[in-house]
Amino acid sequence: AQSVTQPDIHITVSEGASLELRCNYSYGATPYLFWYVQSPGQGLQLLLKYFSGDTLVQGIKGFEAEFKRSQSSFNLRKPSVHWSDAAEYFCAPISGGYNKLIFGAGTRLAVHP
Amino acid sequence: EAGVAQSPRYKIIEKRQSVAFWCNPISGHATLYWYQQILGQGPKLLIQFQNNGVVDDSQLPKDRFSAERLKGVDSTLKIQPAKLEDSAVYLCASSPYRGDTQYFGPGTRLTVL
Repeated sequence: AQSVTQPDIHITVSEGASLELRCNYSYGATPYLFWYVQSPGQGLQLLLKYFSGDTLVQGIKGFEAEFKRSQSSFNLRKPSVHWSDAAEYFCAPISGGYNKLIFGAGTRLAVHP
Repeated sequence: EAGVAQSPRYKIIEKRQSVAFWCNPISGHATLYWYQQILGQGPKLLIQFQNNGVVDDSQLPKDRFSAERLKGVDSTLKIQPAKLEDSAVYLCASSPYRGDTQYFGPGTRLTVL
């Protein structure tokens, strides 16, 4: 069955530190891949997406993600975290005939000053 | 460009009552989605429309949930009768076509007492 796993439920980093959020998917073919961010009380905002081509994708707010087919991963990274990055982050592949977006359980990021 | 609009933002009802949510997608977007997000979980797709036709409603509890998208624009999601486990945030999203980036509204937080 198609699935997506975000192994880290909570992550805490200090402001200015680097960040990597993990995402692994299980699909028969290479899916389209998305990362969304959700701040408290807000809807989901698209950070970046991978459809094809260059496996290193740049997004908004200084985020990037790298697609690794051999590892079935699409990890999100940021070199220097800001306090405003505290939020919940969702990885979501899209695949299948209905083009259904399947969300992971999310990783909640806390940022210490 | 205006984003996805949803109303109301918050709703509190007693169990066994009915409730309706409204969504206005981004102009020109053919595909509209309703998601349910239970606290601590990622969003789960309830129903997907392509114009005014249903593409996927496999996870919609059809004994109590219904949705329509008349004229292929606005959509309403209804719950009748509501149960305690329906307490969640209901998110509406739209995309230009199936498989493309989905843009989310702010959501409606439903509390069932």
